[in-house]
This record gives sequence, C-alpha cells and structure tokens, in this order.
Amino acid sequence: DADVTQTPRNRITKTGKRIMLECSQTKGHDRMYWYRQDPGLGLRLIYYSFDVKDINKGEISDGYSVSRQAQAKFSLSLESAIPNQTALYFCATGLAGEETQYFGPGTRLLVL
Amino acid sequence: GQNIDQPTEMTATEGAIVQINCTYQTSGFNGLFWYQQHAGEAPTFLSYNVLDGLEEKGRFSSFLSRSKGYSYLLLKELQMKDSASYLCAVRDTGGFKTIFGAGTRLFVKA
Repeated sequence: DADVTQTPRNRITKTGKRIMLECSQTKGHDRMYWYRQDPGLGLRLIYYSFDVKDINKGEISDGYSVSRQAQAKFSLSLESAIPNQTALYFCATGLAGEETQYFGPGTRLLVL
Repeated sequence: GQNIDQPTEMTATEGAIVQINCTYQTSGFNGLFWYQQHAGEAPTFLSYNVLDGLEEKGRFSSFLSRSKGYSYLLLKELQMKDSASYLCAVRDTGGFKTIFGAGTRLFVKA
C-alpha cells in the first residue's frame, strides 16, 4: 500500500465551485505540505503544517485553505475555483530532522 | 529574492555521462536536494548535500559549492529509464520550506 495517498487523482470542475483535495499518510510523519506544479514553473508551496495545531502559508496561498484534521490527514480546499488553478497538486510529508520529503501520486485538477 | 536556475532540457546518449547544473540565490540555506520525476508521477528523492563536496550514490553523484551557490547532479552509465525531469531544490535556514527549481527534462536516446 502507498504511504502517501491523494484523492481524487483526477478532477474536472467548473469556475466558482468549491472543491476539496485530500491527503492521507501512513508514514507517521508530523510535517505535511501541499504544492502545485505548473509547466515551466516547478513545484510551488501552497501551505504547510508541522503538527495538527500548526498551519502556515506558503508562497501562493491566496484562493486556497487547508485543514489538518489529524496527524495523518491534510486537506486542501479551493473555496471558489478559477481556471488558473488548473494544475497538478502534490501532497508531501516529512519528519523533523530528516532531509527528504515524500510525495503523494498527485491530483490533476482542471477548472473550466 | 529566491531564485533557482537549471537548464530546461538536455539530451544524452544511453551509456554516456550527463551533468545537470543548478545555481541558486536564496535568502537562507540549509541543504540542497535533487529529486527525480518521471512524467505524470510524483518526485522521488535522489540526493541531499549540506556541506561542500561530492556525494556519490551508485550511478548518481551530487556536488555542492555553497560559496558559489552551485550544485550539479552527475548521472553515469545512462539508461533509457533515466529519461525524466530532475528537480533542484533548496531548503531555507529554518528548515521550514523548500524552494524548487523548474526542473531539467532529460531525454536519453539509444
């Protein structure tokens, strides 16, 4: 079983709709991250959380919100989706003191 | 400001050696990472450098010069499966955030 899972894997929605992307992990990591990836721009950090009561904005948090429901779950919401939020979204986890981040399989979002 | 530069695309031949360069200008530094990402898949960790010098791991090596804001990833004995994007990333001083470059797409041809 995958250590970091994301649902849904693909989503098509319309402008103005509210949607939620979910991330779950079984790695026992305390840190969780949401990134978006656009062609030519690389991965950009949206929000990150170092434990259940800790939420921090990243580079591009406008238009997004997050919820850390438990250590293992970190959800990303688009309150009112717009076409320029069309992107590939990755959740990642990490452990304090370790170097790497572990990425989920990604959610491909298309906003029409 | 934060800036990470790496070439957009490179092409190399199966069995050869390729070097992917990365230069960075960041407000703080607490380590440099290389990730591999196949098309449509998640990035996976390749290497981590925090001190100057060369780190070798099988066919892959990574070099860092902090004074020059420079790193490279060296891939030896290239295989077709090495065709992927290679992401250079820098972690900030507090270790809270990692800034990613746009990635270098490597094509390995027979």
